[in-house]
Amino acid sequence: GEQVEQRPPHLSVREGDSAVITCTYTDPNSYYFFWYKQEPGASLQLLMKVFSSTEINEGQGFTVLLNKKDKRLSLNLTAAHPGDSAAYFCAVGRVNTGNYKYVFGAGTRLKVIA
Amino acid sequence: AQTIHQWPVAEIKAVGSPLSLGCTIKGKSSPNLYWYWQATGGTLQQLFYSITVGQVESVVQLNLSASRPKDDQFILSTEKLLLSHSGFYLCAWSSTGRANERLFFGHGTKLSVL
Repeated sequence: GEQVEQRPPHLSVREGDSAVITCTYTDPNSYYFFWYKQEPGASLQLLMKVFSSTEINEGQGFTVLLNKKDKRLSLNLTAAHPGDSAAYFCAVGRVNTGNYKYVFGAGTRLKVIA
Repeated sequence: AQTIHQWPVAEIKAVGSPLSLGCTIKGKSSPNLYWYWQATGGTLQQLFYSITVGQVESVVQLNLSASRPKDDQFILSTEKLLLSHSGFYLCAWSSTGRANERLFFGHGTKLSVL
């Protein structure tokens, strides 16, 4: 089945710096890709969805890049601020008839130092 | 707008006691429903999914069971809790359709088994 590797597990950056988190996946037929943010004790907040037909998505303060050839998904937080401190998870799925599974990466604990 | 409600917010239970966690989705008919488990500091593990009333598929066996008695309700239960059941349980729903596919999470239930 699908396997997702997320790196790095922990990341500490200074305020204003960028932070890059990367996930690699194994199933070439994966179609749905999501990035989530989880603050301590809270649930998961959807940051961005990426479909296989889209390579770059820009959100508020971050960019998501999908490289289908290398089976790699990355989240780039530009100009990080302390409010970005949280755990970030990628999720990869191939939802179709008989298969409704999303596999999550192990998470990246980001700390932004003021 | 769709809303997802989980109950209870937190539970402290004894080993060997029964458990029932619930999830209700409002504002969306026939959603795909999911149960996830997250160990403290860990990633999310999909437990079950359901695409229609009365039909539940198991992804990982953790001595838990799930049921979908109504279109908008998903129940997670066990007759005998283990220490390893401690963690954060998250219910999620998704809509079908490639362009609209999203995976949204409830606020979660924190379970402590003592």
